Amino acid sequence: QSALTQPRSVSGSPGQSVTISCTGTSSDVGTYNYVSWYQQYPGKAPKLMIYDVTKRPSGVPDRFSGSKSGNTASLTISGLQAEDEADYYCCSYAGSSYVFGTGTEVTVL
Amino acid sequence: QVQLQESGPGLVKPSGTLSLTCAVSDDSVSSTHWWTWVRQPPGEGLEWIGEIYHGGTSHYNPSLKSRVTISVDKSKNQFSLKLNSVTAADTAVYYCARVFCDTTGCFRIDQWGQGTLATVSS
Repeated sequence: QSALTQPRSVSGSPGQSVTISCTGTSSDVGTYNYVSWYQQYPGKAPKLMIYDVTKRPSGVPDRFSGSKSGNTASLTISGLQAEDEADYYCCSYAGSSYVFGTGTEVTVL
Repeated sequence: QVQLQESGPGLVKPSGTLSLTCAVSDDSVSSTHWWTWVRQPPGEGLEWIGEIYHGGTSHYNPSLKSRVTISVDKSKNQFSLKLNSVTAADTAVYYCARVFCDTTGCFRIDQWGQGTLATVSS
């Protein structure tokens, strides 16, 4: 069970869009529509931003959106804001277990 | 809003056992949800450790399965983690969390504790 692969970092200017990829295998992302995304600020606990690939919990801004194609899931942040600067992790169900992504640092220029 | 609070020794000796407890408030460990542990070594990413249901069914990360036990205490409304034969590589912030379940399934970790640092050192 290897960690899902994410880019180490992405960046964008305020108002722009950024997309974070999350690549797994046919044993996790490719088989199950149970990919979630978490936002984490330094020294803080992760926060659920997206679940079941595309769904947003109550209170999460609609500029956060998720998608999936094959073995790769993606998180898009539209209209980037300074408060979006954080680490983001994907997570996939893998059949009686979960696997997290390697994490992506989002920088707002 | 459910609250989760981790507790346990912050320092564990190599080859010893790391033991942590998670107290749950404003929800019941006997509810329809699962309860899970996730860890994060300093400066690194998240790693799923395992989960448990109040009926006793548990699932573990295959890479840790031989050393991990997660249990639930319904009378105290808490669940616990034990990790045996620890090494420095087990030094991490350990989070307890809830895996939310509804009619569509049980596949999102929606509430997290603040995390507790456990250091393995002599």
